[in-house]
Amino acid sequence: DGGITQSPKYLFRKEGQNVTLSCEQNLNHDAMYWYRQDPGQGLRLIYYSQIVNDFQKGDIAEGYSVSREKKESFPLTVTSAQKNPTAFYLCASSIGTGREAFFGQGTRLTVV
Amino acid sequence: AQSVTQLGSHVSVSEGALVLLRCNYSSSVPPYLFWYVQYPNQGLQLLLKYTSAATLVKGINGFEAEFKKSETSFHLTKPSAHMSDAAEYFCAVSKGEAAGNKLTFGGGTRVLVKP
Repeated sequence: DGGITQSPKYLFRKEGQNVTLSCEQNLNHDAMYWYRQDPGQGLRLIYYSQIVNDFQKGDIAEGYSVSREKKESFPLTVTSAQKNPTAFYLCASSIGTGREAFFGQGTRLTVV
Repeated sequence: AQSVTQLGSHVSVSEGALVLLRCNYSSSVPPYLFWYVQYPNQGLQLLLKYTSAATLVKGINGFEAEFKKSETSFHLTKPSAHMSDAAEYFCAVSKGEAAGNKLTFGGGTRVLVKP
């Protein structure tokens, strides 16, 4: 079955550590996205990529980094510069204009 | 910048009653519009989408939405609520490829269904 796989489902991080969230898709979609979800705030865009080896900052990119070396993969690194990283992170992909985005099951990151 | 406003962060309905979730967008051109549903600790699932083919859009699970350009609205309705409709619902807008096909989301509306 085609879809988007995020791993791990739950992640715990100590303050000052970098962590990387995995996102893999087998839908052959060009565009991929990372969103952050906090209670009562909807989803906010962190980074997006429309093509391999290219990506753009979203609305809340500070403290995050991404790479897009393969069409199927779009990992997100939460760096120690992100002051409030505890949140639910969602990865999505889309085939193009006017088409819906497909979402993974999310990774819940908690700073301990 | 485009924005999406969902009126009411929480809505409570009785089983069998009408479900109405409101969404208004700000955009200088007709955008692409979507409604998603999210169950606890899960990703988002598409309910329906508007892409200019028809103003009344039917989706999954008995939901539908009407695009009203004059009101810049895209409200979601279901004639008869079911217990399984309890979830959080998000309205989203995209301006297409020129804007990276990015989705901008409203703040979400959590639906509680009372027996």
